[in-house]
Amino acid sequence: DQQVKQNSPSLSVQEGRISILNCDYTNSMFDYFLWYKKYPAEGPTFLISISSIKDKNEDGRFTVFLNKSAKHLSLHIVPSQPGDSAVYFCAAHSPKAMNNNAGNMLTFGGGTRLMVKP
Amino acid sequence: DAEITQSPRHKITETGRQVTLACHQTWNHNNMFWYRQDLGHGLRLIHYSYGVQDTNKGEVSDGYSVSRSNTEDLPLTLESAASSQTSVYFCASSRGVWETQYFGPGTRLLVL
Repeated sequence: DQQVKQNSPSLSVQEGRISILNCDYTNSMFDYFLWYKKYPAEGPTFLISISSIKDKNEDGRFTVFLNKSAKHLSLHIVPSQPGDSAVYFCAAHSPKAMNNNAGNMLTFGGGTRLMVKP
Repeated sequence: DAEITQSPRHKITETGRQVTLACHQTWNHNNMFWYRQDLGHGLRLIHYSYGVQDTNKGEVSDGYSVSRSNTEDLPLTLESAASSQTSVYFCASSRGVWETQYFGPGTRLLVL
């Protein structure tokens, strides 16, 4: 049973428009959420994160929104650029790992392939 | 610059063979992780380590093992490779709790 789901395997957007990538989770214990971006033949790279005590975090063209009651987060990219074309993974962190005085452990969604057309 | 590397980048092996994938990081991070990426499943955690001599099983650990003899390295061993282990493998590291995980470039493994 996937605890983190990205229901859209792909998304196509015109350059300059907004890209909205969605992620749903089932575990209410998740308290920190991250988005990673992955280009072909490279490892994922961290993009933006949000703590569960916030509902919005913004970094330049990237904004992440968190709706805890709906167990839903989204990544907005405005304006979208062709260089944003990549696979985007959302990930969730559980505090149980923290309470064990151990490092962070992430559960990843299946990814959404974003294609930004010039 | 500090970095995380994986070797080999590509590997073809036969069913039943033992295979070891290397992961090396120069950030002096305590935490290291191995994931596999498969279509539709995203990244799934295989094994992880929170420090030297510490190893833990992840979501999909069957058929894999790791050892942590120093801070920099976490090799992943497939004891008897199976076709179901054909995948792309990513190693990652992080300094501590709440810290971002940094990923290596990946190893593409094909088991025939």
